[in-house]
Amino acid sequence: QSALTQPPSASGSPGQSVAISCTGTSSDLGGHNYVSWYQQHPGKAPKLMIYEVSKRPSGVPDRFSGSKSGNTASLTVSGLQAEDEADYYCSSYAGSNNYVAFGGGTKLTVL
Amino acid sequence: QVQLVESGGGVVQAGRSLRLSCAASGFTFSDHSIHWVRQTPGKRLEWVGFAPFDRSNQNYAESVKGRFTISRDNSKNTVYLQMNGLRLEDTAVYYCARVTTPRWLFDAFDLWGQGTLVVVSS
Repeated sequence: QSALTQPPSASGSPGQSVAISCTGTSSDLGGHNYVSWYQQHPGKAPKLMIYEVSKRPSGVPDRFSGSKSGNTASLTVSGLQAEDEADYYCSSYAGSNNYVAFGGGTKLTVL
Repeated sequence: QVQLVESGGGVVQAGRSLRLSCAASGFTFSDHSIHWVRQTPGKRLEWVGFAPFDRSNQNYAESVKGRFTISRDNSKNTVYLQMNGLRLEDTAVYYCARVTTPRWLFDAFDLWGQGTLVVVSS
């Protein structure tokens, strides 16, 4: 059971766009479309931002978008705002072994 | 109100046991699989295991297999995490989380509890 790989940090100025990558293998992220992204502010529970690679739950701004190519998924935050500063985690179902893998998290800083 | 509420955390000595509860309200509990996810002091999220909506085959993370057991009581809208043989590395905030799609075993988690802290001491 392996973890997904994310960069530890990312940053951008207000109004800019930032992309956060998440790399797995063909056994997890690359093998299907059950890839999701979570935002977590300090002291709070994770919040679902993207599911099934690119779908947004109701209430999530369309500034947040997701994509996937091969074994790498990406979360893009466009038009950065101060409130986007948070930790972001990717997650994927690992069908071959029936478990859920998480990335190590990326701290997004809005400069 | 649609919510999950965890309870049962605390400080426990290594080797001892603890049972966490996850009480659901505001949705059809029996239609949803519920997973446990923990967050370590280093802020890593780790999947622990899950209670399938249909009580089908469960699975657990390798790190807890054989020590942790997850069960559910649909009459009480509650999922339990029984943790035996606790180790220092089990120290974490434990969250329960609902699978987005009814009657699916795996998908995204759209509803999380507030978390309950478990500290394993030596």
